[in-house]
Amino acid sequence: DAGVIQSPRHEVTEMGQEVTLRCKPISGHDYLFWYRQTMMRGLELLIYFNNNVPIDDSGMPEDRFSAKMPNASFSTLKIQPSEPRDSAVYFCASSPSGGPPLMEQYFGPGTRLTVT
Amino acid sequence: QKEVEQDPGPLSVPEGAIVSLNCTYSNSAFQYFMWYRQYSRKGPELLMYTYSSGNKEDGRFTAQVDKSSKYISLFIRDSQPSDSATYLCAMSYLTGGGNKLTFGTGTQLKVEL
Repeated sequence: DAGVIQSPRHEVTEMGQEVTLRCKPISGHDYLFWYRQTMMRGLELLIYFNNNVPIDDSGMPEDRFSAKMPNASFSTLKIQPSEPRDSAVYFCASSPSGGPPLMEQYFGPGTRLTVT
Repeated sequence: QKEVEQDPGPLSVPEGAIVSLNCTYSNSAFQYFMWYRQYSRKGPELLMYTYSSGNKEDGRFTAQVDKSSKYISLFIRDSQPSDSATYLCAMSYLTGGGNKLTFGTGTQLKVEL
C-alpha cells in the first residue's frame, strides 16, 4: 500500500491567491482528517470526514477554508483567499473504522504551504 | 488553557540514557492515550496507545497513564540516535461522531552519540 498521498508537497503562493491541497487516503479507510501544524500551535484538527460526509468542521479557522470529499479516494482542502498567516504544514490522515485501536491515524507526508 | 499541554523542549540526552516525556490534560473524558513520533519533514506515526490508566510496554518504550492526576508519560530506555524526533501525545474519547484526536504540541528529542 502506498500510504496516504498528498499533493503538492510544497506550495508557495502570494497573498490573495487560491490554494488547493489534495489527499488520497489509504484504500478501505472510512475516516479522513485534515490537520494544520505550526510551531506555535502544534497539530490542529481542521475537519474530518466519515464515509465522505463531514462530521466535525469546528477546527476550520474561518470561511476562507473549505474542504470536500467527493468520493472515498479523494479529498481537497481549499483556501481562498490565502493569507501569510496560513503558512503551515498541512497533513491529511486516514483511519479505518471499528473498535479500539480505531484511533490509529495514518498520516501523509504533508504539504508545506508558504504564503508571501 | 489548552486541553493538552506538553513541554516543547528541545530535550538533548546522551546515547543510552533513559528519556521521560510527559503530557498533562484537563479533559477528564479522555479515555485513549497515544504517543506519535514525527521525524523531521515527515508525518506523525503511531508509536503506542493505552486505554484508561496503567502501563504498557513495547520493547524499549513504556507508556504510562495516571488518570487521577491527568498525566501521561512515555519512557524510552537505552535511547538511540535513531530515536531523535518530535514526540506528540494525543488523546481521544469515543463519541457518536468518531475518533477525534487532540494532540499536544510535541517535545523535540535529540539523542547524541
